[in-house]
Amino acid sequence: EPEVTQTPSHQVTQMGQEVILRCVPISNHLYFYWYRQILGQKVEFLVSFYNNEISEKSEIFDDQFSVERPDGSNFTLKIRSTKLEDSAMYFCASNGGTDTQYFGPGTRLTVL
Amino acid sequence: GNSVTQMEGPVTLSEEAFLTINCTYTATGYPSLFWYVQYPGEGLQLLLKATKADDKGSNKGFEATYRKETTSFHLEKGSVQVSDSAVYFCARSSGGYQKVTFGTGTKLQVIP
Repeated sequence: EPEVTQTPSHQVTQMGQEVILRCVPISNHLYFYWYRQILGQKVEFLVSFYNNEISEKSEIFDDQFSVERPDGSNFTLKIRSTKLEDSAMYFCASNGGTDTQYFGPGTRLTVL
Repeated sequence: GNSVTQMEGPVTLSEEAFLTINCTYTATGYPSLFWYVQYPGEGLQLLLKATKADDKGSNKGFEATYRKETTSFHLEKGSVQVSDSAVYFCARSSGGYQKVTFGTGTKLQVIP
């Protein structure tokens, strides 16, 4: 069964550093998303992406964040200058045009 | 805005007990409703869904019925197992490729 994959599974970085989280969505899907889950809290929407542009973004997704689909398979989330409060689990999801999003296993980001 | 409210956890049950996790949603539009499950150390897995009023989603012995009159989508299982121990998230989307809005999650612990 096709699945969304994410790398790395755990990323540790120093405050102020740039990080790039990578996702490979399901191959025939066209809609892509990033969510995050701060430890012990709810899963929050960050951004949706379709046709090479952002469809919607939340207030969390400020100028420090960017997304890109650099080739036909990867979908990345970049945090330009990480802050302590960016420590969270980041989930990528993709959607083939139905009402169902399929989530990857997540990348745990730890900012020291 | 759109929101989902689910019962606080943790919920601790003995094996073979009956499970109910309550969930209510805001009635804006005609949302699709979901239950996602997160096993320890893993990502989000779609457990079941329902897309219109009176639909019943079911999977792995879990069921939930889309109740428009009470704006509810309660999760039930007749006989839980230790392997059902996880965090359960109720969620909604406005359909199609729209973002998913999650509840706060309910941690279920099943003891032998």
